[in-house]
Amino acid sequence: GESVGLHLPTLSVQEGDNSIINCAYSNSASDYFIWYKQESGKGPQFIIDIRSNMDKRQGQRVTVLLNKTVKHLSLQIAATQPGDSAVYFCAENSGGSNYKLTFGKGTLLTVNP
Amino acid sequence: DTGVSQDPRHKITKRGQNVTFRCDPISEHNRLYWYRQTLGQGPEFLTYFQNEAQLEKSRLLSDRFSAERPKGSFSTLEIQRTEQGDSAMYLCASSSSVNNLAKNIQYFGAGTRLSVL
Repeated sequence: GESVGLHLPTLSVQEGDNSIINCAYSNSASDYFIWYKQESGKGPQFIIDIRSNMDKRQGQRVTVLLNKTVKHLSLQIAATQPGDSAVYFCAENSGGSNYKLTFGKGTLLTVNP
Repeated sequence: DTGVSQDPRHKITKRGQNVTFRCDPISEHNRLYWYRQTLGQGPEFLTYFQNEAQLEKSRLLSDRFSAERPKGSFSTLEIQRTEQGDSAMYLCASSSSVNNLAKNIQYFGAGTRLSVL
């Protein structure tokens, strides 16, 4: 069946370091992936997305890498800041006409000053 | 504020009572979604509207749940005869089908946290 999971439930880094958050997915039909950031008491906030015809996409301080061969997605955050502390979710859309997203469990990122 | 708005932010109710939540999507967005999120988990899809048409419902959406989007703008999610297991954060999201380059970027509201006592 469809599933999106994360390798590490928690990640603790020092301010200024780079962070890498990983995600595995099992549905090879998924053609679109999104990373969200969720702070306590708030809804998920869009960070970056990538389509399955791409391997890499960069945003401001963030990069998403997609490896379709091993069904793996990662989010890299450069120069991590205390404000980056949050739970990060990867989500996939398996195509079709409903556009629903399937979310993984999430990784808690803690940035230590 | 032009983001997705949800009301109320918090709802405490007794088991067996009915509750209704409201979502106002981003104004130009024609797609609207409801998700449920429990502690420590990612959001789970409940249902999806394109304009006023409800196009899909998850198996999670039991007969006690009903969602509407009567005019293709705001939406309501009603839970009848609430149970303790309904306690969760109910999230609404919206997206636009107009810009293909922004395929399915779903923008979420802050959610309604439901506590069933």
